[in-house]
Amino acid sequence: EVQLVESGGGLVQPGGSLRLSCAASGFTFSSYWMSWVRQAPGKGLEWVANIKQDGSEKYYVDSVKGRFTISRDNAKISLSLQMNSLRAEDTAVYYCAREMGGHYDILTGHYYYYYMDVWGKGTTVTVSS
Amino acid sequence: EIVLTQSPATLSLSPGERATLSCRASQSISNYLAWYQQKPGQAPRLLIYDASNRATGIPARFSGSGSGTDFTLTISSLEPEDFAVYYCQQRSNWPSITFGQGTRLEIK
Repeated sequence: EVQLVESGGGLVQPGGSLRLSCAASGFTFSSYWMSWVRQAPGKGLEWVANIKQDGSEKYYVDSVKGRFTISRDNAKISLSLQMNSLRAEDTAVYYCAREMGGHYDILTGHYYYYYMDVWGKGTTVTVSS
Repeated sequence: EIVLTQSPATLSLSPGERATLSCRASQSISNYLAWYQQKPGQAPRLLIYDASNRATGIPARFSGSGSGTDFTLTISSLEPEDFAVYYCQQRSNWPSITFGQGTRLEIK
């Protein structure tokens, strides 16, 4: 069964740090781009970051640049999100997700993935004093 | 940034009825649009990608259409388990992803 399981969430004070993990199973993890997506309480979905199969490319939403770091360990089949300088507005359920679909750019030789077809159940991060 | 606007915000229908959900992009995104379903306390589930392709395991009552700036998710005959929140999503200006604000489909 294809599965993603997040862990590491919890209560942290503003300015603190937290490291989220996502364990993958049931598919060839090293073949996929992976993303983190979050959802604040009662709000919609917000993409946070993604990472290429070999970890050589990483991208972030502007609001977390310089504070969050996405990484992966293909040998351990896991994805991580290191979150520093946390703010109240970072309070959310954090989902890891597998990317799929998109198109291949012949000029750049880059495959651009557009969607997310496998999601974990999420882990809750609360930033509060 | 491309903004996705979903309408209506809430749709009240009865089981067996047809549901039509709309998603409008602030500029053309070709057909690079997905639809997700989210039930309370659960992760989103991919329903439709590339505007009209059903994801693996998605029932045929779900269909998507549109291109450019206007997109539609149609549920042909609502089942009790279809009442949820639906989000559209685009990534035409890679790597940024934007989601619509969601449409809540509730039982009338």
